[in-house]
Amino acid sequence: EVQLVESGGGLVQPGGSLRLSCAASGLSVESNYMTWVRQGPGKGLEWVSVIHNDGRTYAADSVKGRFTISRDYSSNTLYLQMNSLRAEDTAVYYCARELCYDSNANYNCYFDYWGQGTLITVSS
Amino acid sequence: DIQMTQSPSSLSASVGDRVTITCRASQSINMNLNWYQQKPGKPPKLLIFSSSSLHSGVPSRFSGSGYGTDFTLTISNVHAEDFATYYCQQSYSTPPLTFGQGTRLEIK
Repeated sequence: EVQLVESGGGLVQPGGSLRLSCAASGLSVESNYMTWVRQGPGKGLEWVSVIHNDGRTYAADSVKGRFTISRDYSSNTLYLQMNSLRAEDTAVYYCARELCYDSNANYNCYFDYWGQGTLITVSS
Repeated sequence: DIQMTQSPSSLSASVGDRVTITCRASQSINMNLNWYQQKPGKPPKLLIFSSSSLHSGVPSRFSGSGYGTDFTLTISNVHAEDFATYYCQQSYSTPPLTFGQGTRLEIK
């Protein structure tokens, strides 16, 4: 059974830093595309960042240069280092496995496993 | 970035109704469209991938269709547990993968 468990959320002041963790079991963070998706209070879903199995990383423009995604093979954990936090970063942050496949020349990616989320509140 | 627009933003239905939610992409995304269901305080759950393929364990009353820019999610016989918010998501042009703004299905 796949489980993704986020931790590290809390209250932080604007300009502060926080590191989120996502402990995985039942799948390897090293072998999969692993993603962070966030959801502001009462808002929709926003893709934040992804790390591919080959180590390439990508981030949304809204967090580029401030957030860094990484992983640790030994602990099978995904991380999101968040610096220079702003009020608009307030959200529940989910980690998710992004599954991509190629069928009939159509390459599609979707999120099939999600953690329960961890809440980040950026406020003074 | 590809913009995804869902309609309606909310709708009311009764148990047993047939419900359709639409999702429009700002450019053609072939079949790279997925649907999720989210209940309050819970993470999203994958329902449909590649426009019309039902994810494992999802009831057959859920179905999806569409190609290019216009897509639909249909619930053929709404059950009480289906009242939730639904999101579409494209993966044609990534990063970023983008979501629609959500459609809230409420009890009439």
